[in-house]
Amino acid sequence: GQNIDQPTEMTATEGAIVQINCTYQTSGFNGLFWYQQHAGEAPTFLSYNVLDGLEEKGRFSSFLSRSKGYSYLLLKELQMKDSASYLCAVRDPGTASKLTFGTGTRLQVTL
Amino acid sequence: GAVVSQHPSWVICKSGTSVKIECRSLDFQATTMFWYRQFPKQSLMLMATSNEGSKATYEQGVEKDKFLINHASLTLSTLTVTSAHPEDSSFYICSASTSGRTYEQYFGPGTRLTVT
Repeated sequence: GQNIDQPTEMTATEGAIVQINCTYQTSGFNGLFWYQQHAGEAPTFLSYNVLDGLEEKGRFSSFLSRSKGYSYLLLKELQMKDSASYLCAVRDPGTASKLTFGTGTRLQVTL
Repeated sequence: GAVVSQHPSWVICKSGTSVKIECRSLDFQATTMFWYRQFPKQSLMLMATSNEGSKATYEQGVEKDKFLINHASLTLSTLTVTSAHPEDSSFYICSASTSGRTYEQYFGPGTRLTVT
């Protein structure tokens, strides 16, 4: 089976750093994705990890530990526009790019 | 590049009628398209995977006779919700991937379906 867990909600202050965790227990693994989704809109791609370690892209970084079934998304210098849901998704190795999404984390950035 | 469109962006229909949603890849050929459903404050749930020219593969618990998927070309897939009921009201999102970029899905803007 597929089980991907994230905290439901988080709140952080503008300018701060926030870490959103994702733990997974899946029957297979071929990469982990992070997406951002604003209310009523489609998800937009943020990052992709397939090997252990940290991937950095501007204000966003994502970390993966395959042995622990764990990933996190790190957002630095938070801005109000970062208020959104953040979705962790695991790619199935059996199909080219089938994704299973986690429960999603709603992040609220406050002044 | 890698733009996916959906039409309509929102639709209201009466219970018992059918609704068709289109998903198009505008600037690339999509060998595989995915259809998701998202209820308020919940994550995306994969409904089915479709490859051009072949029958869709449905996830467990999704009724294939109710949610008809057609992937007739490399740029177009359609989802038809047949005999819609209020519990089918949801946000339907498609995504597309191409054989050249096997690790990324490109998402459409979604279609909000309300069944009255």
